[in-house]
Amino acid sequence: QVQLQESGPGLVKPSETLSLTCTVSGGSINNYYWNWIRQPAGKGLEWIGRIYISGSTNYNPSLKSRVTMSVDTSKNQFSLKLSSATAADTAVYYCARAYCTGGRCYPDAFDIWGQGTMVTVSS
Amino acid sequence: SSELTQDPAVSVALGQTVRITCQGDSLRSFYVSWYQQKPGQAPVLVIYGENYRPSGIPDRFSGSSSGNTASLTITGAQAEDEADYYCNSRDSSGINLNVVFGGGTKLTVL
Repeated sequence: QVQLQESGPGLVKPSETLSLTCTVSGGSINNYYWNWIRQPAGKGLEWIGRIYISGSTNYNPSLKSRVTMSVDTSKNQFSLKLSSATAADTAVYYCARAYCTGGRCYPDAFDIWGQGTMVTVSS
Repeated sequence: SSELTQDPAVSVALGQTVRITCQGDSLRSFYVSWYQQKPGQAPVLVIYGENYRPSGIPDRFSGSSSGNTASLTITGAQAEDEADYYCNSRDSSGINLNVVFGGGTKLTVL
């Protein structure tokens, strides 16, 4: 079955760029929407944005000025960059797939999630 | 602040029925999805679309919607249903398929 795995530095210095990669295994990255979602400790979920395999993106308006997503279909990976990181960006970061079934996709229903990776922004 | 509002905490007696609600203007136009999250784990999709359950989700979970309020109902709550529950949908503008989450509801099974 399809699995997602986040990878990247667990510690980022303030003002630097947070960079994460999600590797898709057990299936193709094609024909799905791929998302990043984060969760500060003890708090709720926040959608960061999505990317389609064509490279088209949608970002959370509150983060849009700092977010860049990209996809590498040859490696079955997609990536997140969040610039000018601050302590407020400290969170568990998840990658997730939007659900598609029977030829129909639900862009805001996330059926497969990575295990999450903790990123701390601190000097 | 979230555009989707959930009660912070709800409790239910074992075997009884509980409804968890999610309110927001965007729910008048867009479907809601529901997620279950247990401590230290990634969320799990339990309801999506009109009222569909992904494969493997017990049929005691169901969803409904009326006006600006969506509900997740657990009929015959089990101990393993104790978790945080989140709703999500489009933001109220509906532009660019932007997604918002509710603040989450902590369900305690007594």
